[in-house]
Amino acid sequence: DGGITQSPKYLFRKEGQNVTLSCEQNLNHDAMYWYRQDPGQGLRLIYYSQIVNDFQKGDIAEGYSVSREKKESFPLTVTSAQKNPTAFYLCASRGGLAGGRGEQFFGPGTRLTVL
Amino acid sequence: GQNIDQPTEMTATEGAIVQINCTYQTSGFNGLFWYQQHAGEAPTFLSYNVLDGLEEKGRFSSFLSRSKGYSYLLLKELQMKDSASYLCAGHAGNNRKLIWGLGTSLAVNP
Repeated sequence: DGGITQSPKYLFRKEGQNVTLSCEQNLNHDAMYWYRQDPGQGLRLIYYSQIVNDFQKGDIAEGYSVSREKKESFPLTVTSAQKNPTAFYLCASRGGLAGGRGEQFFGPGTRLTVL
Repeated sequence: GQNIDQPTEMTATEGAIVQINCTYQTSGFNGLFWYQQHAGEAPTFLSYNVLDGLEEKGRFSSFLSRSKGYSYLLLKELQMKDSASYLCAGHAGNNRKLIWGLGTSLAVNP
């Protein structure tokens, strides 16, 4: 079945450690997105990529890094520079806009807790 | 500026009808989305409006008025499983990003 996978679902790390969150999609979508969601808050965009080997900062990119070496994969690294990394992280992808709605499809999310 | 506003919380009774409103200000508006998000889960797509009017899909309908910058999601015959957060989102000018509201937390009571 086509979809987006994120692993792991729960992740625990010690303060000061970098951690990489996985996001893989087999929907053949060009665009991919990383969001952060805090309790009672909306979705805040961290990074997005419209095409392989290209990505742009979102609204809260500081302390995060990404890569887009393959169309299917868009991993997010939470670095030690991120001051408050504990959050629910959501990856999404979007198909082409021509003739379509352009809605974003979401993975199940990774809940990161930094101890 | 670009902004989307929706109420923080709503409460309704099982079997009733509830309307969740959303107002938006986005440059180069090109469509408005509604998503449902259950606690601890990812958002799932509900509806998309680009033209004025009502789009009906089973128990859920969505309305858009472009001139007023206003949309609503209408949920009929409420069920307990409809207790969730409902997110309103609009395209930014170049359609590459979505501007998200903070979500409306709906509690359906028996």
